Amino acid sequence: DAKTTQPTSMDCAEGRAANLPCNHSTISGNEYVYWYRQIHSQGPQYIIHGLKNNETNEMASLIITEDRKSSTLILPHATLRDTAVYYCIVRASMDTGRRALTFGSGTRLQVQP
Amino acid sequence: AAGVIQSPRHLIKEKRETATLKCYPIPRHDTVYWYQQGPGQDPQFLISFYEKMQSDKGSIPDRFSAQQFSDYHSELNMSSLELGDSALYFCASRRLAGAKETQYFGPGTRLLVL
Repeated sequence: DAKTTQPTSMDCAEGRAANLPCNHSTISGNEYVYWYRQIHSQGPQYIIHGLKNNETNEMASLIITEDRKSSTLILPHATLRDTAVYYCIVRASMDTGRRALTFGSGTRLQVQP
Repeated sequence: AAGVIQSPRHLIKEKRETATLKCYPIPRHDTVYWYQQGPGQDPQFLISFYEKMQSDKGSIPDRFSAQQFSDYHSELNMSSLELGDSALYFCASRRLAGAKETQYFGPGTRLLVL
């Protein structure tokens, strides 16, 4: 799986958009970008994933650069409940296998009131 | 919707004792994963099972063993417990066929070894 680099921590004001960057310059053609988050001591929670097109769901949007070497997770209107550690994980699609997730250090997002 | 169930939620053991953690995956999920998360650390993969067979192995100590039963629930058995085994243990499940990548995690078992 390609290595990812994320900022250690970020702050965001409540109600504003939170933009969490992730660098994955060694990503290969068949690798997806996945985002999970972990709210304090809870089990990690899947947010979104994408290959090369931008993706949006009810939780967030994922913007992947054209060269696929970086991506940004966007929480459009952050709330206090979005305070969590956000993990960017790059890997081949799980549909081709059953490998586990490899969690890096993640970004600790603190949403401020 | 049904979620992954883990029991017990909290467990306190003495050094050198044994512990058994249980995981009940979401119905119709065929793959179970175990992760360990030490204090201040990120989750680390231990072991996984697909259709009751071990499918992958991570950094699981030899003192630990696990299995998946015919009803798809899984148990993580930990023997000769050490202080360093104190951690959160998460179980996750997913359904392989036709599913997008979504591992659903349980609430975890917090193990404290004294």
